[in-house]
Amino acid sequence: RKEVEQDPGPFNVPEGATVAFNCTYSNSASQSFFWYRQDCRKEPKLLMSVYSSGNEDGRFTAQLNRASQYISLLIRDSKLSDSATYLCVVNQAGTALIFGKGTTLSVSS
Amino acid sequence: EPEVTQTPSHQVTQMGQEVILRCVPISNHLYFYWYRQILGQKVEFLVSFYNNEISEKSEIFDDQFSVERPDGSNFTLKIRSTKLEDSAMYFCASTGQHTNTGELFFGEGSRLTVL
Repeated sequence: RKEVEQDPGPFNVPEGATVAFNCTYSNSASQSFFWYRQDCRKEPKLLMSVYSSGNEDGRFTAQLNRASQYISLLIRDSKLSDSATYLCVVNQAGTALIFGKGTTLSVSS
Repeated sequence: EPEVTQTPSHQVTQMGQEVILRCVPISNHLYFYWYRQILGQKVEFLVSFYNNEISEKSEIFDDQFSVERPDGSNFTLKIRSTKLEDSAMYFCASTGQHTNTGELFFGEGSRLTVL
């Protein structure tokens, strides 16, 4: 079983659309959760951490459901510049980050 | 803004050759990592390094691989006797605190092509 699984994508949406990505993780001992963004042939960059109570950063909202071992990312009012691959990332205390394969988003005008 | 720098950006080598990938982490960071990403695949953890020793390594990081921090600034990944399947983008990353509380800062990567 894969440690971190994500929607396969790609998601092709028009500007202004709302899009949601899902992620599940297999290790119930996982403690920290993140969404990273990776542009084509570039390095991953932290988009936002995911907190148990859910958190929002501008147009981006992240949710965590520990019981279901499920993480989500909602992007509202999509921009062309949001086109990228979104990586779901988890880790246990004191261990390295484990990355999902990512979901590709393409926003068109 | 401080950044992680990696050299070379691209290296082509023959199967069986040794390769050294170099990284300069952000100067006040304490934890260092190597990850790799085979084209079209996920980012995979190789090794983490703290206080001049390996703190964690994955199954991928076998005897073919080694890491070193030869001085106060460089952090290197050595791949002995490269194989075709070692072709990938290798990312170095650093953080000032352990990853479960901090952000990983990645370099732009070193693309390794093994022929």
